[in-house]
Amino acid sequence: GAVVSQHPSWVICKSGTSVKIECRSLDFQATTMFWYRQFPKQSLMLMATSNEGSKATYEQGVEKDKFLINHASLTLSTLTVTSAHPEDSSFYICSANEGGRIDTEAFFGQGTRLTVV
Amino acid sequence: DAKTTQPPSMDCAEGRAANLPCNHSTISGNEYVYWYRQIHSQGPQYIIHGLKNNETNEMASLIITEDRKSSTLILPHATLRDTAVYYCIVRDTLGSKSTFGDGTTLTVKP
Repeated sequence: GAVVSQHPSWVICKSGTSVKIECRSLDFQATTMFWYRQFPKQSLMLMATSNEGSKATYEQGVEKDKFLINHASLTLSTLTVTSAHPEDSSFYICSANEGGRIDTEAFFGQGTRLTVV
Repeated sequence: DAKTTQPPSMDCAEGRAANLPCNHSTISGNEYVYWYRQIHSQGPQYIIHGLKNNETNEMASLIITEDRKSSTLILPHATLRDTAVYYCIVRDTLGSKSTFGDGTTLTVKP
C-alpha cells in the first residue's frame, strides 16, 4: 500500500535554531500534503495544506513565517520550524492523499518528535 | 468539514467485539466517513471508510445509519494491540484535509 515517510523521526535542537522536517510519498504522487501538530494528550491539529508548486495554505493562528512549507515536487513537502523555541516542542505529522481521488484514505507519516531545549 | 462526536473513552475485554460509536449529524451527502487509530507516538493508521453502505475489511467493520448521521466501528475480536485512540473523521467533498476531533481512547483489557 501507499506509504508516507517522514524524516527525521525525532530531533532535539537548541532554542533559536531552525529545524527542517521532510515528508515523502514513496509510491504515489501527492499534489497536496497536510501538516499537523499534536501536543501531549491532545488531538491532531491541522497547521497547513501544502500545495505542489504553489504557496501553502495556513490554518488560522498558524504563523506562516515561523512554519515555512515548501512543496517542490509531487513526492516531497518540507516543514521548517524557524527560530524554534521550547513551546514549539511537539509531535509533527504529515499526510498525503493519492492525487485526484476523493474516496481514498489519507496516508500519514510516522511523525516527527521535536524537542527544543 | 462536519463535526464528529465520540465518547472520550471505552473499555473492552480481550477477544470480545469493540463497538465504537460516532455522531456526525451535519454530514453532507458527498462526505465520506473515515476511521483512523493512533497508537502512542505514532502517526494515525487508516482503518476503514464508507459513504452510505456498510463496509468490512480485514481490520474492522463500519456500520453507517441510513440517515448517515452516525456510524459505528466494530473490531470483531479485540486484542491488546488494539488499545489506541480511535478517530472518526468526515472528509470534505474535495477529499482533502482531515479534521480530527478528540477521538475515543479504547483500552482492551485482558
